[in-house]
Amino acid sequence: AQSVAQPEDQVNVAEGNPLTVKCTYSVSGNPYLFWYVQYPNRGLQFLLKYITGDNLVKGSYGFEAEFNKSQTSFHLKKPSALVSDSALYFCAVIPMNRDDKIIFGKGTRLHILP
Amino acid sequence: DTGVSQDPRHKITKRGQNVTFRCDPISEHNRLYWYRQTLGQGPEFLTYFQNEAQLEKSRLLSDRFSAERPKGSFSTLEIQRTEQGDSAMYLCASSLKLRELFFGEGSRLTVL
Repeated sequence: AQSVAQPEDQVNVAEGNPLTVKCTYSVSGNPYLFWYVQYPNRGLQFLLKYITGDNLVKGSYGFEAEFNKSQTSFHLKKPSALVSDSALYFCAVIPMNRDDKIIFGKGTRLHILP
Repeated sequence: DTGVSQDPRHKITKRGQNVTFRCDPISEHNRLYWYRQTLGQGPEFLTYFQNEAQLEKSRLLSDRFSAERPKGSFSTLEIQRTEQGDSAMYLCASSLKLRELFFGEGSRLTVL
């Protein structure tokens, strides 16, 4: 079955420290990969995507993600966390042969501690 | 505002009543998606339109659920004979061929 796994329900990071939110996927073929962020009682906002090309993708608010094909991972990173980064983060994938249905992970809650 | 808009933002209803949600996508987007999100979970795919054609429905979408996009613009999601298990956030999203989804703020349903 095609799926996305976010192994951590919650990640706590001190403000100013680097952060990583993990994502692994299981799909056939080469996937399209995405990260979205959700603030309380709001819809999801697009952060960044990987389609092809450079494995390191830069997105909104200083976030970046690295596509690792051998490890089937797409971890979200930021060099220096801000308290305002505290939110729910979702990894998502579209299998290359199915461009209609986007599969989301269950989400990781990120807490940035002041 | 040229983003995806959903109405109503909140709906409280009694079990057994019917409810309808509306989604207005970004005007040039031909694809429209409905997702359902419950607490602590990621969005679950419900259904998807390309223009006015409903191309796929999830097995999560029971016979009590129906969605339409009559003119390829706005969409409605109706839930008939609501049950307490239908309580969730219903998210609408639209996109073009580049596959990046733009989400609305969601419609939160509470069934008493």
